[in-house]
Amino acid sequence: DTAVSQTPKYLVTQMGNDKSIKCEQNLGHDTMYWYKQDSKKFLKIMFSYNNKELIINETVPNRFSPKSPDKAHLNLHINSLELGDSAVYFCASSQLDRGGYTFGSGTRLTVV
Amino acid sequence: DQQVKQNSPSLSVQEGRISILNCDYTNSMFDYFLWYKKYPAEGPTFLISISSIKDKNEDGRFTVFLNKSAKHLSLHIVPSQPGDSAVYFCAASNPLGGGADGLTFGKGTHLIIQP
Repeated sequence: DTAVSQTPKYLVTQMGNDKSIKCEQNLGHDTMYWYKQDSKKFLKIMFSYNNKELIINETVPNRFSPKSPDKAHLNLHINSLELGDSAVYFCASSQLDRGGYTFGSGTRLTVV
Repeated sequence: DQQVKQNSPSLSVQEGRISILNCDYTNSMFDYFLWYKKYPAEGPTFLISISSIKDKNEDGRFTVFLNKSAKHLSLHIVPSQPGDSAVYFCAASNPLGGGADGLTFGKGTHLIIQP
């Protein structure tokens, strides 16, 4: 039983395209996140979201947008993809009053 | 099935003493291990890593030890400082896949440094 699942695992696309990465958690957590991992393995938070508030890292271009159809899903939409968007994107979830984070296995996005 | 386990959700250590955070893994194909540190409301930041060909890597106050036969690694922080209070994530890399970049994370250990 995968607690936090992301699809697809690999995504290769051309510059200028629009793409989405899906994330689902079955843990009943109230907060979900998107992280971007750069070439140096550094994880940077992009968004955190619960049913009350969306917190956006101000360094994230507005071409990136999270969409949450319900508490168990937080999808990442990316418009007009650029070469620099190539990275690994991790979804995560947590229950703020209980601590502990669960990460998905990541999505490797390659923009060509 | 959790391939990277951090069995201590929290750890409390006195300032100046040694903090030891533990991590166990089950996948023998993992060949690279990383520790991340996370403050509240911030993203995790890379701390230190170790390749499976080594058994120790040191960077200032931080040392990571790897015991491949036991599938166990640990992070030592000495001396512990108040600014070390954070959540620490263990992560492992699988060169043969099993994830977009082979990174599998543990659930984290909340380290609390007491004055």
